[in-house]
Amino acid sequence: DAMVIQNPRYQVTQFGKPVTLSCSQTLNHNVMYWYQQKSSQAPKLLFHYYDKDFNNEADTPDNFQSRRPNTSFCFLDIRSPGLGDAAMYLCATSAYRSGGEKLFFGSGTQLSVL
Amino acid sequence: AQKITQTQPGMFVQEKEAVTLDCTYDTSDPSYGLFWYKQPSSGEMIFLIYQGSYDQQNATEGRYSLNFQKARKSANLVISASQLGDSAMYFCAMREMNNNDMRFGAGTRLTVKP
Repeated sequence: DAMVIQNPRYQVTQFGKPVTLSCSQTLNHNVMYWYQQKSSQAPKLLFHYYDKDFNNEADTPDNFQSRRPNTSFCFLDIRSPGLGDAAMYLCATSAYRSGGEKLFFGSGTQLSVL
Repeated sequence: AQKITQTQPGMFVQEKEAVTLDCTYDTSDPSYGLFWYKQPSSGEMIFLIYQGSYDQQNATEGRYSLNFQKARKSANLVISASQLGDSAMYFCAMREMNNNDMRFGAGTRLTVKP
C-alpha cells in the first residue's frame, strides 16, 4: 500500500548531539511537511517542501534543518537538540498545495532528549 | 492569519450514543478546506472527513458527519453510534486555498465509556 513511512519510531539522543529523522513516501506527492507535536498539543508546522522548493515557518528555530534529496525522501536534522525539542515529529505529504488537499501522515517519530 | 479553535479539551460519551466535537475557525480567505483528523494513542494522524468552503451540503463519511455553518464559521464533527475504538484525540484543521499550510486546533480528547 502507498504510504508515508517514518523511521525510527522512537529516537533517543543526548543533549546537544545532532540527530536526523527520516521520512519516505510511496505516494509520489509533491509536497512534504514536518510537524512538531508536543504532548497534548496541536501539531505545529516547522517547514515544508514543494518539490525542491523549501519553505520555512517564520518561528521555526535555526536549530532545525531539512533536506529533500529526491521526491521520496525527506529528512529532519536537529543540529543541537535541547530538552525542549523532545516531542513527536510527524511527517506528512500532499499531492499539491491546495486548500482541498488532505495530508497523509506517517506514524511519527517520538524523540527523547537526555 | 488563520485560526482554529476547539474549546472542548475533553469529552465523554456513552458507547452507541452520538457526540459532537466543536470547531470554530477564522479566515479572511473565501476559499478554504476544513478537515478532521483522529489521533489514537499510537500517534498516527488519521484523516476522517473534509468540507470545502463552497460545498453546499454537509460532508458525511460513514459514522462521521460535519455540521458546517459557514456564517458562524463553525465545522463541528458529529460521530454517531460511538464505539470504544473512537476513544482518541480529535483535531480540527483548516487549509486556505492561497496558503499551503494546514493549521490545527488544540484538539479534543474523546473517551467512549462502555
